[in-house]
Amino acid sequence: ETGVTQTPRHLVMGMTNKKSLKCEQHLGHNAMYWYKQSAKKPLELMFVYNFKEQTENNSVPSRFSPECPNSSHLFLHLHTLQPEDSALYLCASSQDRGGNTIYFGEGSWLTVV
Amino acid sequence: AQSVTQLDSQVPVFEEAPVELRCNYSSSVSVYLFWYVQYPNQGLQLLLKYLSGSTLVKGINGFEAEFNKSQTSFHLRKPSVHISDTAEYFCAALYNQGGKLIFGQGTELSVKP
Repeated sequence: ETGVTQTPRHLVMGMTNKKSLKCEQHLGHNAMYWYKQSAKKPLELMFVYNFKEQTENNSVPSRFSPECPNSSHLFLHLHTLQPEDSALYLCASSQDRGGNTIYFGEGSWLTVV
Repeated sequence: AQSVTQLDSQVPVFEEAPVELRCNYSSSVSVYLFWYVQYPNQGLQLLLKYLSGSTLVKGINGFEAEFNKSQTSFHLRKPSVHISDTAEYFCAALYNQGGKLIFGQGTELSVKP
């Protein structure tokens, strides 16, 4: 138990579906992150939120839409994805954007069919 | 450019043997270093971190790493591995507090009986 909880753990969706990934952290942190982990590729940072404000978007396609309603919750809304978007999506948090240790959730396995 | 290189993509080793997983980072005035472990079908768990102070850092599960500034390395070691150590190990560097956490490509440790 890392204090960062992701749901669902597994998701299969069609290319025309709309779905969302949810992340909740119980660590009192103020920064939250979405990472993508694909087979044989390094972890890719997608989005960063600090005190609910998006501070980084690493050229992520608009079919991925993040939402951070408060410092404890982070969503990733998914719409018209492609099969190559199938991956493990990891949520993480840290004390703040300057916080030096990042804690990860268990991840959400996404398969796009 | 800031980068982290894990020199071995796969390391097979027999149970109770020692192991070293190698990591090199690009030099910087200020860098924090981390090792994460990812067990099958799970998220990333922090093993240990170097922020400052003693260059020998001890982590969970009997792992340790040594920060070597002159060689820009942060190799992970364990004197005697167990089957349960089979996992993927990621080295990561945070350049300048508040910067982006950069991951290496990962090393798959496979412990055989």
